[in-house]
Amino acid sequence: AQSVSQHNHHVILSEAASLELGCNYSYGGTVNLFWYVQYPGQHLQLLLKYFSGDPLVKGIKGFEAEFIKSKFSFNLRKPSVQWSDTAEYFCAVFTGTASKLTFGTGTRLQVTL
Amino acid sequence: DAGITQSPRHKVTETGTPVTLRCHQTENHRYMYWYRQDPGHGLRLIHYSYGVKDTDKGEVSDGYSVSRSKTEDFLLTLESATSSQTSVYFCAISRDRYEQYFGPGTRLTVT
Repeated sequence: AQSVSQHNHHVILSEAASLELGCNYSYGGTVNLFWYVQYPGQHLQLLLKYFSGDPLVKGIKGFEAEFIKSKFSFNLRKPSVQWSDTAEYFCAVFTGTASKLTFGTGTRLQVTL
Repeated sequence: DAGITQSPRHKVTETGTPVTLRCHQTENHRYMYWYRQDPGHGLRLIHYSYGVKDTDKGEVSDGYSVSRSKTEDFLLTLESATSSQTSVYFCAISRDRYEQYFGPGTRLTVT
């Protein structure tokens, strides 16, 4: 069965620091990859997605992610975080085999002033 | 934001009582999903629907049933609630299975 690993459970950064959140998946076939963000007390919102083409994808609010097929990874990055980026971030993978999204356990990002 | 509403938004119920959560969409999307969110587990799929009257189980379906009699409504029922079903429940919709849009969530507490 496919699985998604987010190894960073809780990350604390100061404002303006650079961010990289790891996401690895276990599936050898074609995948569609997503990052969702959940601000405190809110529902999940789509941050960015990768279906095909350029492995570097840009999303909303200055976030980007790079798909590295050989490493089964889809890490999320932002050059300079803001206090308003404090949220929980979920990586998700869709495969045709499972026909459903599989979510990682999430990374809680805390940005301090 | 996608047109998804969930009701109720908060509910406290006692062990052994039946509970029904409702998800309503105005987007006419074919696919609808129910997830539960628990600390340390992320989101786990309970059931999903790929059309009216067409539903299937997810990874944590035990103790839950669903129904979809209209495109816009997807109901999740806990036949006899247990404390282990205390959670936040999210509904999601999708036009094509890939991109999913989430509702505001229902916080359920089973005492």
